Amino acid sequence: EAQVTQNPRYLITVTGKKLTVTCSQNMNHEYMSWYRQDPGLGLRQIYYSMNVEVTDKGDVPEGYKVSRKEKRNFPLILESPSPNQTSLYFCASSLQGVNTEAFFGQGTRLTVV
Amino acid sequence: AQSVSQHNHHVILSEAASLELGCNYSYGGTVNLFWYVQYPGQHLQLLLKYFSGDPLVKGIKGFEAEFIKSKFSFNLRKPSVQWSDTAEYFCAGGAFTSGTYKYIFGTGTRLKVLA
Repeated sequence: EAQVTQNPRYLITVTGKKLTVTCSQNMNHEYMSWYRQDPGLGLRQIYYSMNVEVTDKGDVPEGYKVSRKEKRNFPLILESPSPNQTSLYFCASSLQGVNTEAFFGQGTRLTVV
Repeated sequence: AQSVSQHNHHVILSEAASLELGCNYSYGGTVNLFWYVQYPGQHLQLLLKYFSGDPLVKGIKGFEAEFIKSKFSFNLRKPSVQWSDTAEYFCAGGAFTSGTYKYIFGTGTRLKVLA
């Protein structure tokens, strides 16, 4: 089954404690991205990757890091989480280019206290 | 700047009422347009998409959308909503920006259907 898998689904952590949210896709997609969803703001792109070892900042990259060592995996790293990073996070993947659609993971609800 | 805007943030309807959610986009060049739905506690799922051709696009669960180029609009419609349509709906556009294909999402519309 084609899918994007994120882990964990729920996470509560304390300010400053490094964490990683994993994302994996089994569709051989080149393009992967991370979004955060906040009430009234919709989905905002954090980082994206066009292929292995190619990543770039989205609209709200501050406080986040990513890596793309393998095509299927695109982890999101918060080196020193802060309460303003409390949000719902989605990973998405797609083929690169026009006439493609994005597939989303189940989401990770992160709370930073 | 490229953008997608959704006019209605919250919509409440009774079952069997007709639905129309507005979406306007601001893009230069070729644009792909999408509507995604997010049921409570779930991830975003594709409802329908427009790439080219017939501007009236039919999607899953009885939804349709019409691409009107002159109005830069891609409104979502359903003739008769059901309680199970309660969800948040996102309009999105995809296009090349500085050599990279990017998706831009609207802020979403929360639909509540009363039984």
